[in-house]
Amino acid sequence: GQQLNQSPQSMFIQEGEDVSMNCTSSSIFNTWLWYKQDPGEGPVLLIALYKAGELTSNGRLTAQFGITRKDSFLNISASIPSDVGIYFCAGRANNAGNMLTFGGGTRLMVKP
Amino acid sequence: SAVISQKPSRDICQRGTSLTIQCQVDSQVTMMFWYRQQPGQSLTLIATANQGSEATYESGFVIDKFPISRPNLTFSTLTVSNMSPEDSSIYLCSMDRGTGELFFGEGSRLTVL
Repeated sequence: GQQLNQSPQSMFIQEGEDVSMNCTSSSIFNTWLWYKQDPGEGPVLLIALYKAGELTSNGRLTAQFGITRKDSFLNISASIPSDVGIYFCAGRANNAGNMLTFGGGTRLMVKP
Repeated sequence: SAVISQKPSRDICQRGTSLTIQCQVDSQVTMMFWYRQQPGQSLTLIATANQGSEATYESGFVIDKFPISRPNLTFSTLTVSNMSPEDSSIYLCSMDRGTGELFFGEGSRLTVL
């Protein structure tokens, strides 16, 4: 099956700092999605990427679809306490139909 | 965005019993899915809920354990049968309107004693 490696597994940062997390796959993906999950909630879609090289922003969040189509990163600028949560990447491979593979998640903690 | 309602939001169940989780979507969608999220883990696809036909299960999941219904384009149920403590997880309903973007319900947190 598809493999997605997400790093780091966790981050503990100071409010105001920038954050970067990434995912790499063993296969070529045609879609990358980034989600945030708050405690007791389902994952919420943050950014969707569909083309290699695509760079998309959503407020303080920026995500890129890697040129090799095997990786993606998510940056959060000027972090605030409400950024706390678990961030998941998810990708869809060319030969996987509609199936999304999820990364292991990055747990972000922000110190005020 | 989409409105996906799941119930129950949480439950505590006894070993050996079964529980059915309901998922209601605010508009007709072709693709509905059920995921499991074990404590501290990522999301794993259980099955694709097909309208009018049997669900398509992923490796490691079987219909006898996780029967799924999809009677129409806005509703699906997942039953967790003959539960054991290992079934304690968050079960998530999700949908794709055909854009490739997956939207999730708030999840149903099951604790099996």
